[in-house]
Amino acid sequence: SQQGEEDPQALSIQEGENATMNCSYKTSINNLQWYRQNSGRGLVHLILIRSNEREKHSGRLRVTLDTSKKSSSLLITASRAADTASYFCATDLDRGSTLGRLYFGRGTQLTVWP
Amino acid sequence: NAGVTQTPKFQVLKTGQSMTLQCAQDMNHNSMYWYRQDPGMGLRLIYYSASEGTTDKGEVPNGYNVSRLNKREFSLRLESAAPSQTSVYFCASSIIADTDTQYFGPGTRLTVL
Repeated sequence: SQQGEEDPQALSIQEGENATMNCSYKTSINNLQWYRQNSGRGLVHLILIRSNEREKHSGRLRVTLDTSKKSSSLLITASRAADTASYFCATDLDRGSTLGRLYFGRGTQLTVWP
Repeated sequence: NAGVTQTPKFQVLKTGQSMTLQCAQDMNHNSMYWYRQDPGMGLRLIYYSASEGTTDKGEVPNGYNVSRLNKREFSLRLESAAPSQTSVYFCASSIIADTDTQYFGPGTRLTVL
């Protein structure tokens, strides 16, 4: 079963608007990562947030983590057409036997219209 | 640096044929991974290698074998391809196996008829 699940499955907005995607997960984690995938390409790492962090920024990206609710959100501010892509959250599990493994959600397809 | 490279980019097989997907990284990473991506399913881990000389099963290892040839190269073999293995396969690497950032290759799109 999926450890992480993104919501919504699809999001369509206009350029300049903000885009918010959410990720929920099931078990304790060490960290949570967000990746981006352009159509027909491999995934690219965007940002990592550790379980003892609540918020992190990188350029136009803002990630929050609420471990009590087992959820994270990715905010892209002032979106551009070039932000059109699928966005995935990935979590590890806070168990030594599974070190090195990431569990990916099904992704949110973001479309930004010019 | 080329990062993570995969060959081939596309492949069509008939049921029962075998093939090996190649992956190489030039970032001196210790850990390497093979995933498959199916529509609506996200990425699922097939096998991974935390360090040279070790390999471990992931979520969906059945029908696959892997070889960590050296620190740079990690291959995935389909011994007898089945239509259910039609998918896009991604190789990834990370510096160390403690859930560090993973770097992905461009993928191999495999169709099994």
